[in-house]
Amino acid sequence: SYVLIQTPSVSVAPGQTAKITCGGDNIESKTVHWYQQKPGQAPVLVIYDDSGRPSGIPERFSGSNSGNTATLTISRVDAGDEADYYCQVWEHNFSLPFGGGTKLTVL
Amino acid sequence: EVHVVESGGGLIQPGGSLRLSCAASGFTVGNNYMSWVRQAPGKGLEWVSSIYSGGSTYHADTVKGRFAISRDNSKNTLYLEMNSLRVEDTAHYFCVYSYVPYYMDVWGKGTTVTVSS
Repeated sequence: SYVLIQTPSVSVAPGQTAKITCGGDNIESKTVHWYQQKPGQAPVLVIYDDSGRPSGIPERFSGSNSGNTATLTISRVDAGDEADYYCQVWEHNFSLPFGGGTKLTVL
Repeated sequence: EVHVVESGGGLIQPGGSLRLSCAASGFTVGNNYMSWVRQAPGKGLEWVSSIYSGGSTYHADTVKGRFAISRDNSKNTLYLEMNSLRVEDTAHYFCVYSYVPYYMDVWGKGTTVTVSS
């Protein structure tokens, strides 16, 4: 099955930009989706189809996908962005694998 | 507004069976894509099963042959029948609504399954 690799943790100061990566073999040939999960809560879709933003998600959240790496970028980070972030793709065998998750810490 | 609420979790012995339910509102279960995703304590998200609008079902290799996803259109409810439960099936199980099958739009709060003797 397709493997998605995420860095376990990322730290960033308030007001700075956080970049969370998701690695996979030729991942640019797939569309990548991103979820935010705060402690004790259900995940929330924040980016779909590489760079689409669902209604209600701030413009500070953006996504890109190229080569073997997809990236979730969060600009002007604040304390409310502290959460676990997961990438996910759809496979042609109809499975939906997730990356291992990245814990974003706001310093 | 789209809303899903899970129920049916609990403590069960290894080898036992359990059925999770997911009551939907704001949309028709039978016309959309639904999935179950689980999260073991302190771990990441793991896709478990999906059912497509046409009725086709798909399961992760880790649960294939033991779990079955289904729906009751008259009750607008999704189910996950879990058999031959193992300790490693212990997790919080989320019911998820999808408008398209490629990603997951709306998540329930989940229900906890604990498999232990």
